[in-house]
Amino acid sequence: GAGVSQSPSNKVTEKGKDVELRCDPISGHTALYWYRQSLGQGLEFLIYFQGNSAPDKSGLPSDRFSAERTGGSVSTLTIQRTQQEDSAVYLCASSLDSRDYGYTFGSGTRLTVV
Amino acid sequence: SQKIEQNSEALNIQEGKTATLTCNYTNYSPAYLQWYRQDPGRGPVFLLLIRENEKEKRKERLKVTFDTTLKQSLFHITASQPADSATYLCALGSYPGTYKYIFGTGTRLKVLA
Repeated sequence: GAGVSQSPSNKVTEKGKDVELRCDPISGHTALYWYRQSLGQGLEFLIYFQGNSAPDKSGLPSDRFSAERTGGSVSTLTIQRTQQEDSAVYLCASSLDSRDYGYTFGSGTRLTVV
Repeated sequence: SQKIEQNSEALNIQEGKTATLTCNYTNYSPAYLQWYRQDPGRGPVFLLLIRENEKEKRKERLKVTFDTTLKQSLFHITASQPADSATYLCALGSYPGTYKYIFGTGTRLKVLA
């Protein structure tokens, strides 16, 4: 597609429920990244995909967080047993590859855990 | 620990003037530095990338400098316009081929008509 698409744009969930966030990167972009942006905080790196592989999952905050990417395209970030501290904007970005290209970000999913 | 500092206070300037934003870092040796623009409710938009061996980079009304001795980058917008009002983020990557950029919290710029 023309840009990085994320869905849903907003998600309100009850504490303890699981949520799935979706990212559809730019066609042909092999690298995909998930970041989290909390109020007053810088973007926090979560995970990076090169193709379908995730060489670096070091940013995932806990084992409640997981992500996958299929067909070298769409990625899903899953948060199990959500907690209030998971409330944030989850941003997905893609780039041609993992070298020095600027990222193209989606508009994010605003997650609110109540 | 690695730290990136951007002025958290908003910067207000008059239309037509040059806006200068600062990005300072500590405990870090970046190979690349990027600047992004972020509008409310949107994801960041890539503006410029500068490498550690480059002192300055320009793109239209934008200019970025990178001083690895001072551990500082300056981002300039000349002839600023109200449409330039946004939050500007700097991001540092630590080595060639990096994929894990560390972002600052951003500086909000408001250009007054």
